[in-house]
Amino acid sequence: QLQLQESGPGLVKPSGALSLICTVSGDSISSGNFYWGWFRQPPGKGLEWIVSLYYAGSIYYNPSLKTRVAISVDTSKNQFSLNLTSVTAADTAVYYCASAFGGRDDPFNIWGQGTLVSVSS
Amino acid sequence: QSVLTQPPSVSEAPRQRVTISCSGSNSNIGNNPVDWYQHLPGKAPKLLIYFNDLLPSGVSDRFSGSKSGTSASLAISGLQSEDEADYYCAAWDDSLNGWVFGGGTKLTVL
Repeated sequence: QLQLQESGPGLVKPSGALSLICTVSGDSISSGNFYWGWFRQPPGKGLEWIVSLYYAGSIYYNPSLKTRVAISVDTSKNQFSLNLTSVTAADTAVYYCASAFGGRDDPFNIWGQGTLVSVSS
Repeated sequence: QSVLTQPPSVSEAPRQRVTISCSGSNSNIGNNPVDWYQHLPGKAPKLLIYFNDLLPSGVSDRFSGSKSGTSASLAISGLQSEDEADYYCAAWDDSLNGWVFGGGTKLTVL
């Protein structure tokens, strides 16, 4: 059974970079069966999609975040990561990684538990 | 402001039926299927409905979805206290080339 787990620092300084890792278990990240994604939920606000990727290279970005987002895959560790630069307090949120079985517009049916990242000095 | 529009909140009594609407445009709901997610505080979002009206394995058939034109709806019948959660609609947007979500609807079971 596919499982995802987010990890990373819980506190990031303003203007710094937020880096998170999603560790995948139960299947290979390079099996070709999944799209992988990052989402977030700021306090008191709704869910927001950040980015989706396919291990072989297709990446789709939220246009509002594209200039600050980088994503990568480490097939040897069965992980994919999120890097968000130039963070501000508005980037404080619970960040989730998720997987969609199929193509870029298939639903995300497996989610990690989420990790809270606070941006503060 | 979210691309998809949902009511901020709905409420209904136990054992009753409630519907949550989701309004979009031709570039998202009008041209792509709608998914619904249930989100309980402190928990991971859960896929509730996919491809407009399909239920993932294990989801109660008290939940149902529908779509017409550029709008979609989630219906929950036989309301239970455990249904209290935030509900989000989502769809792929061809213009933005990415996922768009509704702002979420908080369901209160009175």
